[in-house]
Amino acid sequence: EDQVTQSPEALRLQEGESSSLNCSYTVSGLRGLFWYRQDPGKGPEFLFTLYSAGEEKEKERLKATLTKKESFLHITAPKPEDSATYLCAVPSMDSNYQLIWGAGTKLIIKP
Amino acid sequence: GAVVSQHPSWVICKSGTSVKIECRSLDFQATTMFWYRQFPKQSLMLMATSNEGSKATYEQGVEKDKFLINHASLTLSTLTVTSAHPEDSSFYICSARKAGTSEQYFGPGTRLTVT
Repeated sequence: EDQVTQSPEALRLQEGESSSLNCSYTVSGLRGLFWYRQDPGKGPEFLFTLYSAGEEKEKERLKATLTKKESFLHITAPKPEDSATYLCAVPSMDSNYQLIWGAGTKLIIKP
Repeated sequence: GAVVSQHPSWVICKSGTSVKIECRSLDFQATTMFWYRQFPKQSLMLMATSNEGSKATYEQGVEKDKFLINHASLTLSTLTVTSAHPEDSSFYICSARKAGTSEQYFGPGTRLTVT
């Protein structure tokens, strides 16, 4: 059964304290792995798509990496405005590419 | 690029009335659109999947006669909540899958309050 697991469930960091979020996946065929950011009361904001092991993508203080079993979202020198829930998802193998979601990591950056 | 809009962003309606929510992909064609519901501090819950010109596929437990979905074009899908009740109050979010890719982009959401 296809599955996505995120850890930790919540992460509290001081401003400037770098860390990583984990997304492990078990799928029969990878058609991409997506990272989203969601703020309270808003829809998820698309961050990255990764398609193959070894691929890396960066955006400001965020860098996403992918292996054959997991993805990491590295956050470097975070700021309070990076506080949000970060969601990881993979498309299922059905024809509509329905997303299989992780439960998310709630990131809190304290000033 | 890859912007999805929703209208309205919030709506208050009386019990028993119907409400329509629009979801548009502004700068790309969307092969498939999805409708989600989210309660406070909970995960996104998929309600239904729709493809342009086809009937929507509803998830188990979602009443298709209550949540009417129309996907008239490659850039527009609508969700109509019929005979709304207070328990239908929630945050409704749509997403659109960009044609030719597996990538999904989300709208900003619609807050529905039924009084």
